[in-house]
Amino acid sequence: DSGVTQTPKHLITATGQRVTLRCSPRSGDLSVYWYQQSLDQGLQFLIQYYNGEERAKGNILERFSAQQFPDLHSELNLSSLELGDSALYFCASSVEGSGNSPLHFGNGTRLTVT
Amino acid sequence: GDSVTQMEGPVTLSEEAFLTINCTYTATGYPSLFWYVQYPGEGLQLLLKATKADDKGSNKGFEATYRKETTSFHLEKGSVQVSDSAVYFCALGTYKYIFGTGTRLKVLA
Repeated sequence: DSGVTQTPKHLITATGQRVTLRCSPRSGDLSVYWYQQSLDQGLQFLIQYYNGEERAKGNILERFSAQQFPDLHSELNLSSLELGDSALYFCASSVEGSGNSPLHFGNGTRLTVT
Repeated sequence: GDSVTQMEGPVTLSEEAFLTINCTYTATGYPSLFWYVQYPGEGLQLLLKATKADDKGSNKGFEATYRKETTSFHLEKGSVQVSDSAVYFCALGTYKYIFGTGTRLKVLA
């Protein structure tokens, strides 16, 4: 058990809808990362937060947004969903977020857009 | 920019065979390097790490050595088991952690 909790495990929704994915980091970790994993594109970095502040952005679409709350949990919001957004979305956390300490991953949220 | 290149899979081996999964990287500075493993239906789990040149990370019989001169971090195991069947990811420890595309390993009994 990594200590990172993601909910829900599965999400099925229609095109054009909006969903929210939730992540609770491992106790003591200040940094949260979001990744998208699809069959043809591997693990793509979306965004990183550190202690409530956005620290880095990757290939995150404008339709997607995220935030980290004072209790350090994070939410990833996906709107105007398209079929191509179907993927596994992982949250990961680390102690400090500089790249020296390991990432700890949740089990992911599988999003299916129909 | 920073990047990680892993050998293409899938890799299929018989039980007790020797495993090598190649990983090379491009980076500014001297980042930490990681290997992660993903079993079906699960998130990625840290397998091992190395934080500086010539460091050897090891865990569960797997090893990898941080080679600065060849910018490599190849994963090895002397004798694989069926339970090692999974997808293996090499990762570069920058502020955004860059992952390779993953190498699927299938071990046959």
